[in-house]
Amino acid sequence: DVVMTQSPVSLPVTLGQPASISCWSSQSLVSTDGNTYLNWFQQRPGQSPRRLIYKVSNRDSGVPDRFSGSGSGTDFTLKISRVEAEDVAVYYCMQGSYLPVTFGGGTKVDIK
Amino acid sequence: EVQLVESGGDLVQPGGSLRLSCAASGFTFSDYYMEWVRQAPGKGLEWVARIRNKAKDYTTEYAASVKGRFTISRDNSNNLLYLQMNSLITEDTAVYFCTRDVWGTGANWGLGTLVTVS
Repeated sequence: DVVMTQSPVSLPVTLGQPASISCWSSQSLVSTDGNTYLNWFQQRPGQSPRRLIYKVSNRDSGVPDRFSGSGSGTDFTLKISRVEAEDVAVYYCMQGSYLPVTFGGGTKVDIK
Repeated sequence: EVQLVESGGDLVQPGGSLRLSCAASGFTFSDYYMEWVRQAPGKGLEWVARIRNKAKDYTTEYAASVKGRFTISRDNSNNLLYLQMNSLITEDTAVYFCTRDVWGTGANWGLGTLVTVS
């Protein structure tokens, strides 16, 4: 199985400041169809997960443009350009290039 | 508007069975891959099962932890997704989410249904 590793586990941030979460996969996520199925999810306290980013860098509908995804191969990053109070959540990366689908362990973002 | 509404979660004894349902609306159900993802209390997300769309003959895939015990299925006439869970163990305790695939897993999620095995 592809192992997904996230860092850091906990990320205290100052409102208005940027934040960055890293995600590494145990093997390249370039799929046989040439796509890289690396998604990012946000799970606010008490809520269902919400997908923010699909295929590395594509924002889902309604996702604020302060969220961006980047990376390739085995190394990926989710960036929040200016953290807002509503961004307090756990963030998960997920690979769908190979079965079984696997998730990172999560990064908890809260306000300093 | 896409809506996914799970139901069927309950308290069940180890070795028991349960069937979860997910009612889908707001899209052409048969066109999409559908999946179940679970989250144990206080833990992260774990993919459980996938059922593909009509174009892929509704083929299925499972996580190793549930293969042989769980069965994913769909009723395209009534826009329903199911997860039949047999031989339940305490480690299956989790909130189970129904999700729709668009460019990959998790484009849309339901609110989840809680399964407690104890």
